[in-house]
Amino acid sequence: GAGVSQSPRYKVAKRGQDVALRCDPISGHVSLFWYQQALGQGPEFLTYFQNEAQLDKSGLPSDRFFAERPEGSVSTLKIQRTQQEDSAVYLCASSLELAGNTDTQYFGPGTRLTVL
Amino acid sequence: AQKVTQAQTEISVVEKEDVTLDCVYETRDTTYYLFWYKQPPSGELVFLIRRNSFDEQNEISGRYSWNFQKSTSSFNFTITASQVVDSAVYFCALSEALGGSNFGNEKLTFGTGTRLTIIP
Repeated sequence: GAGVSQSPRYKVAKRGQDVALRCDPISGHVSLFWYQQALGQGPEFLTYFQNEAQLDKSGLPSDRFFAERPEGSVSTLKIQRTQQEDSAVYLCASSLELAGNTDTQYFGPGTRLTVL
Repeated sequence: AQKVTQAQTEISVVEKEDVTLDCVYETRDTTYYLFWYKQPPSGELVFLIRRNSFDEQNEISGRYSWNFQKSTSSFNFTITASQVVDSAVYFCALSEALGGSNFGNEKLTFGTGTRLTIIP
């Protein structure tokens, strides 16, 4: 079966531009996570969806970051008025939620965002 | 707050040597999960193992083995008879509950990774 896919794989934006990053989770996976990975660092949590509900957005660095998952499948991470410090790889992960258990998160290839 | 420390930034070994990657974690949770992921140059994080905090049995999968020691808060990863294809960045991660235990899914706290290079 298909894994998590993300598009675009690479995005170059001029400072101040808005960008939208897409994530297609594994079919049937209830939970979806976004992480940000700076160069040479481990991924850091941004936000979490359970179906269409955004249950945690505590990791979003500023109000310029916005995520949605309107139909409980595909998710979009939007960054408004991009800044150079937003340059990073944005990783999406999905998992099949098992009630009361921590399930394994499967990651996509990421979108490398470069803000000039 | 939860924390994962991977003190080894980079390791290089000659092919066929054994190599151990260290992971030390901090948490106040009594129930937690530990993970290892591999990140090859392509960038995708590849899941390797998940371990429940109540299960301290070591695990072996082919050339890979994991040593979980709750007493020292460590979850080390050993590759036996390393191969060039093992070259990658390896991340250790710890689960953290999101807003209540009934959600069933938890965000991951990652270490900074260990870059492993296998020299042919």
